[in-house]
Amino acid sequence: AQSVTQPDIHITVSEGASLELRCNYSYGATPYLFWYVQSPGQGLQLLLKYFSGDTLVQGIKGFEAEFKRSQSSFNLRKPSVHWSDAAEYFCAVVPSGGYQKVTFGTGTKLQVIP
Amino acid sequence: NAGVTQTPKFQVLKTGQSMTLQCAQDMNHNSMYWYRQDPGMGLRLIYYSASEGTTDKGEVPNGYNVSRLNKREFSLRLESAAPSQTSVYFCASKDVAGGSTDTQYFGPGTRLTVL
Repeated sequence: AQSVTQPDIHITVSEGASLELRCNYSYGATPYLFWYVQSPGQGLQLLLKYFSGDTLVQGIKGFEAEFKRSQSSFNLRKPSVHWSDAAEYFCAVVPSGGYQKVTFGTGTKLQVIP
Repeated sequence: NAGVTQTPKFQVLKTGQSMTLQCAQDMNHNSMYWYRQDPGMGLRLIYYSASEGTTDKGEVPNGYNVSRLNKREFSLRLESAAPSQTSVYFCASKDVAGGSTDTQYFGPGTRLTVL
C-alpha cells in the first residue's frame, strides 16, 4: 500500500530564513505528488503538484518542490519565509492514473518567529 | 463560483445523537470525498464517490454512511455519534479525468464535538 511520511511534526524558523519540509513516499511507481497548506481554522489549499516532466516544480506563494526519484522524496522549499507562511503543510500522493484515493502525510506544522 | 461548501461549520452532539454533514460543489466535478482530520494523523479518507450513483469505503468508514444525492452533493451521516468521532471533517471534490486535472479542492471543514 502506498504511504507518505513527513518526518518533521513541527518546525520553527526565523522570518527571512530558508525552509525545507521533507516528504518521502512509498509506492511501486512514480505517483502524482502534491503539497497542500492549511492555515488555522481553514481548509486545505493546493501549493503545487508534480505529475511528470521537470522535477523542480514551482507553486504559489513562492514555494517550490523537487521530486527525487532515487530518494522517493518530494521536499518543499522556500528561500525566504514570511510570517504569513506559519501554517500546517501536508504532502499527498495519488497513484498515477489512479484518480480515486489520495494518501496524505501526517503534516508538518511551521512556526515562524520574528 | 463558491467551490466546495460545507454545512454546518460547527456542531456539538451528545453521544448517540445522529446528524448529517452536507457538502456541495459547483465545479461540475465527478468525484467527491469525505475526510476526517485528527491531530497528528493527517487526513484520513472516510468514504468517496467516484461518480454520481456510486460510493466506496475509504480508510475509516465505520460509524458513517454517505449519500451521493446528485452530481453536486455528497452527504455524510453519523447514525449514532460517539466521542471517538470528535474531529474536523473535510469534504473535497475532483475532476475524474486525471492527469493535470487530478487535484482535489477542499471545503472549509466542519468541526464536530461529541460529548
